[in-house]
Amino acid sequence: EAGVTQSPTHLIKTRGQQATLRCSPISGHTSVYWYQQALGLGLQFLLWYDEGEERNRGNFPPRFSGRQFPNYSSELNVNALELEDSALYLCASSLVGGNTGELFFGEGSRLTVL
Amino acid sequence: SQQGEEDPQALSIQEGENATMNCSYKTSINNLQWYRQNSGRGLVHLILIRSNEREKHSGRLRVTLDTSKKSSSLLITASRAADTASYFCATAPPGNTGKLIFGQGTTLQVKP
Repeated sequence: EAGVTQSPTHLIKTRGQQATLRCSPISGHTSVYWYQQALGLGLQFLLWYDEGEERNRGNFPPRFSGRQFPNYSSELNVNALELEDSALYLCASSLVGGNTGELFFGEGSRLTVL
Repeated sequence: SQQGEEDPQALSIQEGENATMNCSYKTSINNLQWYRQNSGRGLVHLILIRSNEREKHSGRLRVTLDTSKKSSSLLITASRAADTASYFCATAPPGNTGKLIFGQGTTLQVKP
């Protein structure tokens, strides 16, 4: 069974540009989560999608947004990129929505903003 | 702000030795989870312990939870070089928020 897949693996952008990251959850998982892992800041919760709806978001500005498609895949958009957005962006999925069970993580997309 | 604080930040041991990592948190929790991350890659779930549980085992892993002290420990017995990784505790706040709050992690090096 395929795990959580993320693309692209690496992405280089310049300040002010937009980045789009994609995630496919494990088959049968309807919840998708996004986390940011920036150097020195650790893993920070970004977004939770379940059944196509945004259920919760972390303490990030509105230029971080996303959506979940009918097939439960998801994309994360970061607009007006800033240098401090450079980070590893991790997507995870779960069989049970919320924070009551384990998360299955993808390998991440490393975003570098120059 | 991060809820989990992990101790030590780094740990270096020889193969065959035991490794103990500690995690403290500040508010009430639904459950506490431990994850492993190999150098800049995705996280792998190790074990989940619920707030009404005190101890849990999985293979060479033993996790304890003391909600009165708001702390947890992860013990890896008979460590192997392949256990070299960063280990994170993650707390789930009450309510189904979908959010896990991760600690800063402990970097474990197991020398062959």
